[in-house]
Amino acid sequence: GEDVEQSLFLSVREGDSSVINCTYTDSSSTYLYWYKQEPGAGLQLLTYIFSNMDMKQDQRLTVLLNKKDKHLSLRIADTQTGDSAIYFCASRSNQGGKLIFGQGTELSVKP
Amino acid sequence: GAVVSQHPSWVICKSGTSVKIECRSLDFQATTMFWYRQFPKQSLMLMATSNEGSKATYEQGVEKDKFLINHASLTLSTLTVTSAHPEDSSFYICSAPGRDRANTEAFFGQGTRLTVV
Repeated sequence: GEDVEQSLFLSVREGDSSVINCTYTDSSSTYLYWYKQEPGAGLQLLTYIFSNMDMKQDQRLTVLLNKKDKHLSLRIADTQTGDSAIYFCASRSNQGGKLIFGQGTELSVKP
Repeated sequence: GAVVSQHPSWVICKSGTSVKIECRSLDFQATTMFWYRQFPKQSLMLMATSNEGSKATYEQGVEKDKFLINHASLTLSTLTVTSAHPEDSSFYICSAPGRDRANTEAFFGQGTRLTVV
């Protein structure tokens, strides 16, 4: 079945760049997403990329997609303490719009 | 913008009782809603797809008789955890799919923290 994998933890210093990586298995994924979850809260869509794109930039966020390797990354420039959260990568299945999530990467930003 | 409201945000119940969680689309109609479950430090796992006017579609390994889903109207889906046990304690989140092709409008409820004691 479809699977999405992420590293579990990332720790960076405030002001540095953070790069969160994700791999997926469903080659028919049309859209790939990054969500942010703060403690005890629901999910907030940060950005997404269509599968025929290689890169997408949105302010401090840059998404890179290597479709051949099924690898997705999220770069956060000038990381702030408010960016500390869990970041989920998700792929959209062609079956009715359901999302397949990775395990989430816990980003810790130290002052 | 469109919002999905989930209620309650947290609930504590005794083992053996049933708990109902509601998911409402506030200003749009959702013929489909998704129910996810999240264990601490783990990913969201899709439990079932709720369909208005028909039976829910459950993912493999999810007990239909334990997790009852009812999509009563175009704005309301409910998940009832029947005969709850401590292992059912988890964070449950509903979502409604986006209306655009990119699904960028996929809306998530705030989640319900269920603790069974």
